[in-house]
Amino acid sequence: DAGITQSPRHKVTETGTPVTLRCHQTENHRYMYWYRQDPGHGLRLIHYSYGVKDTDKGEVSDGYSVSRSKTEDFLLTLESATSSQTSVYFCAISGGDSSYGANVLTFGAGSRLTVL
Amino acid sequence: GESVGLHLPTLSVQEGDNSIINCAYSNSASDYFIWYKQESGKGPQFIIDIRSNMDKRQGQRVTVLLNKTVKHLSLQIAATQPGDSAVYFCAENPHSGYSTLTFGKGTMLLVSP
Repeated sequence: DAGITQSPRHKVTETGTPVTLRCHQTENHRYMYWYRQDPGHGLRLIHYSYGVKDTDKGEVSDGYSVSRSKTEDFLLTLESATSSQTSVYFCAISGGDSSYGANVLTFGAGSRLTVL
Repeated sequence: GESVGLHLPTLSVQEGDNSIINCAYSNSASDYFIWYKQESGKGPQFIIDIRSNMDKRQGQRVTVLLNKTVKHLSLQIAATQPGDSAVYFCAENPHSGYSTLTFGKGTMLLVSP
């Protein structure tokens, strides 16, 4: 998946526990994103980053925090997981096979999180 | 994975047919559009994109058509193959210049041999 690695790929946890998902890229792209994907909702943006230590909220940011201490790593943290956060989480980076540049997102393979 | 397909409109075609997948977008100010393909258990993959100053763009076996008057986008796949079976999403850039993309909910394409 174009130099994007998500870990873990699958995780089952209990309500109230903290969870961190990691996205690692080898493309040296400036922009990184976290999306969640749920039936009936499509892809919804949680948080994104436009550089080291520069992050901003997306449309469904409540209950999530992010950190980006290095260009290649973007972490998504659920401080206290809830069942409503059961989802498939996708990391994306900007850039791709287009002449139009930064707006094309390249996605990772996803992390499936189940909160019991 | 397979849960992506729940609640989605579905288009069923025979192998070799041409497929047309439609998308209505919401923001008349959007200036850039992308189509993605998502196979079961994988992340979305870029297919083709188009700027708002164009009404048609062609790739390999795929064509995107843009009708700004009615805010409608379509993806045409020629000679559809079983490997084209997937969920297809359109996405729009709702503001001029760089911004985050807004995704549609997707259409599932099923191709029968």
